[in-house]
This record gives sequence, structure tokens and C-alpha cells, in this order.
Amino acid sequence: KNEVEQSPQNLTAQEGEFITINCSYSVGISALHWLQQHPGGGIVSLFMLSSGKKKHGRLIATINIQEKHSSLHITASHPRDSAVYICAVSDSNYQLIWGAGTKLIIKP
Amino acid sequence: DAGITQSPRHKVTETGTPVTLRCHQTENHRYMYWYRQDPGHGLRLIHYSYGVKDTDKGEVSDGYSVSRSKTEDFLLTLESATSSQTSVYFCAIRKQGADEQFFGPGTRLTVL
Repeated sequence: KNEVEQSPQNLTAQEGEFITINCSYSVGISALHWLQQHPGGGIVSLFMLSSGKKKHGRLIATINIQEKHSSLHITASHPRDSAVYICAVSDSNYQLIWGAGTKLIIKP
Repeated sequence: DAGITQSPRHKVTETGTPVTLRCHQTENHRYMYWYRQDPGHGLRLIHYSYGVKDTDKGEVSDGYSVSRSKTEDFLLTLESATSSQTSVYFCAIRKQGADEQFFGPGTRLTVL
């Protein structure tokens, strides 16, 4: 069993829809990261959080430490949000344990 | 922009040839990482460095070696490339005491 599980693996939605991507982990963490990778592109950090909720524009990330679960939400989705969204957790040695990613396609 | 460059950005080589990928940073961070990314897998750690001449293996280190003779450069070498090493390679840096890693643009390596 992977230590970081993301769901869904693939998600296709219409422009304007509210998007939720989930991440569950089974190890102790110092922080949880959400990253974005556009097709053929580099990897960009969206959020790093260890408790509660963070918001940046139309993106919101939440974490529940007790349940070992995090969600990434996108409000008013747009085709430019199409990308792979990756969840990763930092262990006590700052090493990252990676989820397999969620491929999001937003259709106009 | 975290000041990380990778070279080359694309490379096609033949099985059995040596290949060296370079990661260069301008931030003077202590920690540097090499990952590979393959379809169906999350990023997998190959090797990492915690200082000049200080390196350690990651989960997929077989067939790879690294060197760090200067703070700013972290080299990944495939001594004898195999087709299974066809992948996209990402370098990352991390500031000491911080969780967040910053990534280079990636190198797409094809081994024929």
C-alpha cells in the first residue's frame, strides 16, 4: 500500500465546476504539500500546510491531521487549471513521500 | 524563480553510453535532490546531497551515481545508460530547516 494515496487518478470537468482532489497518508508528517505540473512543464509548489486551511486565489487546501487527510479545491475551474496535481508529505527528515498525482482536465 | 537550472533539457542517447545531467543553483542551499518521474509513478528519489561531498542514496539509486564538489552544482551520472532509465529527471533544492522544495525545469532523457 502506498504511503500517500490520491484520488481520483483522473478527473475531467466542465469549466466553472467546483473541483476536489483528495490525499490520504499513512505516515507521520511534518508538512503536506500540494504541487502543480502542467503538461511538459515543471513542478510548482502550490501549498505547504501542517494544519487548518490555506487559500490562494481560487485554490483552497485543507488538512485534517487526525484523519490524515487533505483536500485541494478549485473554485470556478478554468481550462488553464488543467494540469497534474500532486500531493506529497514531508517526513521528520524533510524527505518527501509522493502521491502518484491527479490528472485534471477542464473542458471549456 | 528559485534559481535552479538543469542541463541539458533534452537528451537522446544509446544504451551503454555514459550520461551526466547537471543541476545548478544560485541560492546557495545546502540540500539538493535528484528525482525521476515516470508515467504511473509519483516522483522517485534517486540520490540527494546534504552538503559538498555529502550524498546519500534514495529509493531508486541503482545505476546512478552523483557528485557534489561545489555547493551550486549537483551532478547525476548514468555510468552505462539503459532503456529503463528513459525518464524525466528533476532536480530540487531545499533550504536547511525548511520543508519546501523548489524544482528545476526537468531533463527529458531518452535511451534508445
